[in-house]
Amino acid sequence: EAQVTQNPRYLITVTGKKLTVTCSQNMNHEYMSWYRQDPGLGLRQIYYSMNVEVTDKGDVPEGYKVSRKEKRNFPLILESPSPNQTSLYFCASSGTSGGETQYFGPGTRLLVL
Amino acid sequence: QKEVEQNSGPLSVPEGAIASLNCTYSDRGSQSFFWYRQYSGKSPELIMFIYSNGDKEDGRFTAQLNKASQYVSLLIRDSQPSDSATYLCALKRNQGGKLIFGQGTELSVKP
Repeated sequence: EAQVTQNPRYLITVTGKKLTVTCSQNMNHEYMSWYRQDPGLGLRQIYYSMNVEVTDKGDVPEGYKVSRKEKRNFPLILESPSPNQTSLYFCASSGTSGGETQYFGPGTRLLVL
Repeated sequence: QKEVEQNSGPLSVPEGAIASLNCTYSDRGSQSFFWYRQYSGKSPELIMFIYSNGDKEDGRFTAQLNKASQYVSLLIRDSQPSDSATYLCALKRNQGGKLIFGQGTELSVKP
């Protein structure tokens, strides 16, 4: 089954404690992206990757890091989480840069205390 | 001015009616436009995409694009309670892969 998986699905952490949210896709997609979703602000892109070792900033990259060492994986790293990073996070992938069919993962709900 | 604007709603329509969802954008260079549906607590799923001026139909859904007026709309015919969700409009400026989303319109279809 074609899918994007994210782990963990729910996470409660404290300010400053480094964390990683994993994202993996099994469709051999080149393009992967991370979004955060906040009430009233919609989905905002954090980082995206056009292929292995190729990443670029989205609209809200501050406080986040990503890496793309393998085509299937695109982890999101919060080196020192802060309460304003409490949000719902989605990973997405698509097979073309046009992104006509962008598949979203199930989401990770993060609470930073 | 936000790059993609949607009325947050909620938009309430009776079952069987046509639901009309609208989206305006500010960048005339935007090339491709997408409509996603998101059920509460779930991830967005693509309904349709449109590149050219005019209408594009897929089952009960019709996307309309007017680049001169900078708006894109989604019509849902014969609305069903199962269509109750938040509908997200998104665009890409170019082939670079960056999707820009509106804040979404909540649709409620009443039986």
